Amino acid sequence: TQLLEQSPQFLSIQEGENLTVYCNSSSVFSSLQWYRQEPGEGPVLLVTVVTGGEVKKLKRLTFQFGDARKDSSLHITAAQTGDTGLYLCAGHFNDYKLSFGAGTTVTVRA
Amino acid sequence: ETGVTQSPTHLIKTRGQQVTLRCSSQSGHNTVSWYQQALGQGPQFIFQYYREEENGRGNFPPRFSGLQFPNYSSELNVNALELDDSALYLCASSWWSGTGVGEQYFGPGTRLTVT
Repeated sequence: TQLLEQSPQFLSIQEGENLTVYCNSSSVFSSLQWYRQEPGEGPVLLVTVVTGGEVKKLKRLTFQFGDARKDSSLHITAAQTGDTGLYLCAGHFNDYKLSFGAGTTVTVRA
Repeated sequence: ETGVTQSPTHLIKTRGQQVTLRCSSQSGHNTVSWYQQALGQGPQFIFQYYREEENGRGNFPPRFSGLQFPNYSSELNVNALELDDSALYLCASSWWSGTGVGEQYFGPGTRLTVT
């Protein structure tokens, strides 16, 4: 059974601060995706990473994929209140299904 | 381009009843996956449909079943509802290229409450 662990579970910061969310697995991902979900809505895809060591930037968001493709991180610079939400990592382990972590709830205070 | 849509938005059912949830895929996508998301947890994979057949299944009992139609829309049926079935049910569509499932795009979900 593939298991994705996300940390921390909860994160509360002041607007303008930086934050990092982590996603780890004991198995190798064939690809990994990060989503953001707001209450009562479906997850929205932020990025997909497939190559070990890959770094992708999306405005203030930086995504890193570990060299061994077992871990990933999401870093937000100068967080804004609009960044508040549940951040989910999800991975494919060479099969058809997407396995999700439990998520990190991020709250950015004004 | 039309995104993934789901209906109904909310639903309240009684234990033992049956429910049908519906999903319309994003245009150009040929694969539909269904997920169950309990409060405070990440989505859990139920099953996936490709070319109108179940293509893979997670750890859910047979009372969870589905259909995919020629236009790639899909239904999730749950029989003999239990209280623990209360959750947000998410549908995601993607393009299966033959070598793997591409990026999945989610609908807004159906909130099911079983009393």
